[in-house]
Amino acid sequence: QQQVKQSPQSLIVQKGGISIINCAYENTAFDYFPWYQQFPGKGPALLIAIRPDVSEKKEGRFTISFNKSAKQFSLHIMDSQPGDSATYFCAASTRGYQKVTFGTGTKLQVIP
Amino acid sequence: DVKVTQSSRYLVKRTGEKVFLECVQDMDHENMFWYRQDPGLGLRLIYFSYDVKMKEKGDIPEGYSVSREKKERFSLILESASTNQTSMYLCASGRLRNTEAFFGQGTRLTVV
Repeated sequence: QQQVKQSPQSLIVQKGGISIINCAYENTAFDYFPWYQQFPGKGPALLIAIRPDVSEKKEGRFTISFNKSAKQFSLHIMDSQPGDSATYFCAASTRGYQKVTFGTGTKLQVIP
Repeated sequence: DVKVTQSSRYLVKRTGEKVFLECVQDMDHENMFWYRQDPGLGLRLIYFSYDVKMKEKGDIPEGYSVSREKKERFSLILESASTNQTSMYLCASGRLRNTEAFFGQGTRLTVV
């Protein structure tokens, strides 16, 4: 039972382009939606997160868009760089409860 | 910087062996987690602990057990390793009621 569905599984983007990764969830009790970034040989690290009381959050070139009615959220990477090449995981959890449910991951490759 | 240290980067074990994966965190975090990461399946929670000697099952606890005798240390035990437990195992820690998780670098376990 996949509570957080993530797509695409892999993505190739040219340098300077926009990378977009989409996630959808089913559990309406989820109220915290982080994105993690994982480089080869490393553990995932928190990149950016959003709560459902806002529709968008931006940190530098990274933006989360959130659509509560559709139960969908997405990560946009503007001006993608080769250093952004990594695997990205969306996730969801419930406030006050530490169990986090992860998506299946998207392997992003940014080519020069 | 938060540091989560996993005792081994790579392990090769035989079918039927008892396997111990060790994890230590240095930030006095209440929560600790064990995930396994498999291609196309993302990160799946095996067990987590919110206090010493406390544990809760995650999504895939079958074939695993855990031990948390000290706050900083969380061990994952494979009672009788099987080939379908070949995977990347990730330990994480976090503060109580704070959903950010800090991951170790992972242990790639191969069961032959």
